[in-house]
Amino acid sequence: GQQLNQSPQSMFIQEGEDVSMNCTSSSIFNTWLWYKQDPGEGPVLLIALYKAGELTSNGRLTAQFGITRKDSFLNISASIPSDVGIYFCAGQLITSYGKLTFGQGTILTVHP
Amino acid sequence: GAVVSQHPSRVICKSGTSVKIECRSLDFQATTMFWYRQFPKQSLMLMATSNEGSKATYEQGVEKDKFLINHASLTLSTLTVTSAHPEDSSFYICSARPPRGYGYTFGSGTRLTVV
Repeated sequence: GQQLNQSPQSMFIQEGEDVSMNCTSSSIFNTWLWYKQDPGEGPVLLIALYKAGELTSNGRLTAQFGITRKDSFLNISASIPSDVGIYFCAGQLITSYGKLTFGQGTILTVHP
Repeated sequence: GAVVSQHPSRVICKSGTSVKIECRSLDFQATTMFWYRQFPKQSLMLMATSNEGSKATYEQGVEKDKFLINHASLTLSTLTVTSAHPEDSSFYICSARPPRGYGYTFGSGTRLTVV
């Protein structure tokens, strides 16, 4: 089935550093979403993108919907310890009738 | 707004028994809900799409007779794992799409352990 390639798989950074992760696909998506999941919890929506080229910020987070509609990135600036968790990208295909496809996730560890 | 409540958060059951998981949209109506399964350190895999008032649509490889889905109202979908076996142990998560602008909201998940 359809897959999203998310990278990197994991990141170990120092508090205060910036983080960047991205997702790519061979298919065109009409929606890109970025989620954060803490252990034992459901994913929490960080940013939703609905238009190609759209650049959206949510506090220290910034995400962009790629012009080709086949990719998206998420940046976290000035990381803090509570940013630790797993970050997932998710995309909705035009023909998917609302179903989301998830990336493999990026495990973020922030050292104080 | 846009809250999805999932219950129970954890359940342990014996092999051969059935377990029901509830997913409720608290402040919006959801004609469609989605059920996912997640194994440790893996991504979310869509199991089925739950449609209010009609049959659920299952993804390829998901046994519809084992994972019974009922979406009897605009705010409630249930997933019943029938005749559970240890290999059904997993983290089950539901989601729903509120009005545009909120993305897809997820429940807090249910950790099922079959012993």
